[in-house]
Order: sequence, then structure tokens, then C-alpha cells
Amino acid sequence: QVQLQESGPGLVKPSGTLSLTCAVSGGSISSSNWWSWVRQPPGKGLEWIGEIYHSGSTNYNPSLMSRVTISVDKSKNEFSLKLSSVTAADTAVYYCARISWGDGYNYEDYWGRGTLVTVSS
Amino acid sequence: DIQMTQSPSSLSASVGDRVTITCRASQSIDTYLNWFQQKPGRAPKLLIYAASSLQSGVPSRLSGSGSGTDFTLTISSLQPEDFAAYYCQQTYSVPRTFGQGTKVDVK
Repeated sequence: QVQLQESGPGLVKPSGTLSLTCAVSGGSISSSNWWSWVRQPPGKGLEWIGEIYHSGSTNYNPSLMSRVTISVDKSKNEFSLKLSSVTAADTAVYYCARISWGDGYNYEDYWGRGTLVTVSS
Repeated sequence: DIQMTQSPSSLSASVGDRVTITCRASQSIDTYLNWFQQKPGRAPKLLIYAASSLQSGVPSRLSGSGSGTDFTLTISSLQPEDFAAYYCQQTYSVPRTFGQGTKVDVK
């Protein structure tokens, strides 16, 4: 059973950089899956941030592209998110997820529990 | 970006009711449409992918249909564990975008 676990600071100062890591267990990050980050501001809907393949290939949401970096560390079986120049609008629960493929379609089938990151001085 | 619009934003229903949630894409997405359920304080859970394929372990009272721009999630007989928020998501193009969500609560 694949499990994902987010970790990182729960409080980030405005203009700072949000850094989170997603540890993958029960499966290899080098498998034929992509790995994604999704966030959810308190009381609001879901926003897709971006995704990465173990080769390092990435896709980002254009609305965040100038501030986002997603990277992978195969030796640790984990991937990471960095979001720079944060403001209060970046306060959200951040989820990591595995993207699987079936019959040409793809979907997030395993998710971490999520971690709340608050941007505040 | 492809915009996803769900309706209604919320609905009240009783156990045993048939519930239908619709999702409309701003352009054709073929059948690249997923549905998720989310309960308070929990991560989203995949219910349906490819518009109509039921994820393993999801009860058969849930079903999805549609193609192109119009999609539907149906719960044939609402059960207590179905009270939650539901989100559609298109995976036709990047960025993968979600609908704004539909909250199903107790009437």
C-alpha cells in the first residue's frame, strides 16, 4: 500500500519561501507514475500546483509558475515543493499525491494527509 | 486554462435519495474527467476516472457519465457516508483544473 507523508514548516513569513517534502513509502518514486502537489485554502476548493516525474520532468500551473519549483530525490524516495515570495493568499493545506495511469487516462489515486501552511508574520 | 463549473454548489438530501451533480468544462475534454470525494479534514478520495470508470473499492451506487463538455456524478441511493464535498477535475490539459466543489449535506 503506497503511503505519502507531507512534512515542513507550518508557519512561513510573508515574502519568504514555503518548502515542503513528500515522503513516499510502500512504492518507488522511480515507478511509472507522476507525483503532484495540490493545495486547498481554508474553506475553499482545490488548486493543482504542479507535477514531476522521476526523470525530473515537470509541469506547473501557469498561475504559480514564476514562484514554484518541484524537485525529486530518488535516493530518499521523496519529492519536494518550493514556493517563493509567499503572501497570505498562499495559506492553505498542501497535499502531495501520486498520479497513476490506466487505459490512457491519469488520476491522483493516493494522497498524503495534507499539511497546513500559514503565511503570517 | 480549462474552467470547470459544478452545479449546484451545495445541496441538501436525505438518506436514500438519488443525487446528481453536474460538471461543465469550458471546452471539450473528451472523457478526461475525474471525480473526488472529500470529507472535512481529510484528503480527497478518487471515486471515478475517465468520466465513468469506478475506482477500485468505490461502491456501485456511485456512477459517472458524460463526454465533451458535460458530465454527471450520480449517487443512486444516498448513504450516511456519502455526505461530503465532491469535486470534478479535468486532466485533458495542463493545468489540471478542479471544479469549485459541491457540498452534499443532510436535509
